[in-house]
Amino acid sequence: RKEVEQDPGPFNVPEGATVAFNCTYSNSASQSFFWYRQDCRKEPKLLMSVYSSGNEDGRFTAQLNRASQYISLLIRDSKLSDSATYLCVVNRGGSYIPTFGRGTSLIVHP
Amino acid sequence: GAVVSQHPSWVICKSGTSVKIECRSLDFQATTMFWYRQFPKQSLMLMATSNEGSKATYEQGVEKDKFLINHASLTLSTLTVTSAHPEDSSFYICSPVATDTGELFFGEGSRLTVL
Repeated sequence: RKEVEQDPGPFNVPEGATVAFNCTYSNSASQSFFWYRQDCRKEPKLLMSVYSSGNEDGRFTAQLNRASQYISLLIRDSKLSDSATYLCVVNRGGSYIPTFGRGTSLIVHP
Repeated sequence: GAVVSQHPSWVICKSGTSVKIECRSLDFQATTMFWYRQFPKQSLMLMATSNEGSKATYEQGVEKDKFLINHASLTLSTLTVTSAHPEDSSFYICSPVATDTGELFFGEGSRLTVL
């Protein structure tokens, strides 16, 4: 089983839609979780950290379920500019080394 | 905000040559640097973790003699792909960790094409 798994998509949604991505991780000792955004041929950029209680940043909501070992990202009111690949990042259990999922591709169309 | 400078952004080289990629943290110090490689439609794969002043720790399957990492200062790390071959063509990204905050940053990546 891969350390971090994501559905690669693509998710193809109209503007204004709500879309959710999930990510599962294998190491129960992992303590830090993040969502990054990567545009084509660019470096990843931090979108948000994921906290145990769940957290929201504008249209973006992140959730963590430790029991089931998954994290989620919800995007409300999708914009064209949200089109990108969303990377789930989990720190390797017991360390600070980040492990990346392969990313979920989102395409928002008019 | 913090800035990471990675260059070259693009490099095309002949098979058998060596290519050096530099990564600089411009306004913060980074004791730790991660080097990643990303093939098309794949995730970032950690190649090695380097700490300033010590030898890098390589991930399983990554040849340390082929991918030479030097992290001689708190603001500069280099990755040298020695005797590059077409299968080394990839997107290489450095990721320094800010010493004071632990925050992770990324270079803009270097796209290597080996002919």
